[in-house]
Amino acid sequence: GESVGLHLPTLSVQEGDNSIINCAYSNSASDYFIWYKQESGKGPQFIIDIRSNMDKRQGQRVTVLLNKTVKHLSLQIAATQPGDSAVYFCAERHTGGGNKLTFGTGTQLKVEL
Amino acid sequence: DVKVTQSSRYLVKRTGEKVFLECVQDMDHENMFWYRQDPGLGLRLIYFSYDVKMKEKGDIPEGYSVSREKKERFSLILESASTNQTSMYLCASSLLGRMSNQPQHFGDGTRLSIL
Repeated sequence: GESVGLHLPTLSVQEGDNSIINCAYSNSASDYFIWYKQESGKGPQFIIDIRSNMDKRQGQRVTVLLNKTVKHLSLQIAATQPGDSAVYFCAERHTGGGNKLTFGTGTQLKVEL
Repeated sequence: DVKVTQSSRYLVKRTGEKVFLECVQDMDHENMFWYRQDPGLGLRLIYFSYDVKMKEKGDIPEGYSVSREKKERFSLILESASTNQTSMYLCASSLLGRMSNQPQHFGDGTRLSIL
């Protein structure tokens, strides 16, 4: 399944399926992007990051894809597990913005057994 | 692992009170940040600091101030609390200085209610 945009939609997937969460970022001058996971009652947890000179980066069960042409970022989670249920949001850093990040509002991922 | 600790998980205060939110990180990070998180609005930056005794305004600094007397500690101060400051407050830290491709690491937040 897919989810689009920076609102807070809900993405429901079956356990074991792959999840794709999308993010449309705003600034073509952004040079660094991060995906965070936030579980209920906890702070955001770093998942994976990518610099603008890359278009793909892989971690453990996660892959981030960056398409600068259309200013689009996606997070792919392989073999989604119940523990992946959380809100996921992207963050971008603008060149010239120091270390300030701009955050999206997130996507709620629900994993169904 | 980076540990960012916020002193209170829940806090209830009254309108007009001066409120202190404390944050400590244990990884010797130069950068520290304070955000508030509200439904539908995402994280909004209140203040940040690149070094001891240094602070810069974020996007919504009005009604807040900060203090960074030691590298590991960054305090957020609500000078005279108002009901519109009821929110989840998140502290974060990251390595290095002004231009840094390093992720910010967050604490678990303080849910502040102003009555």
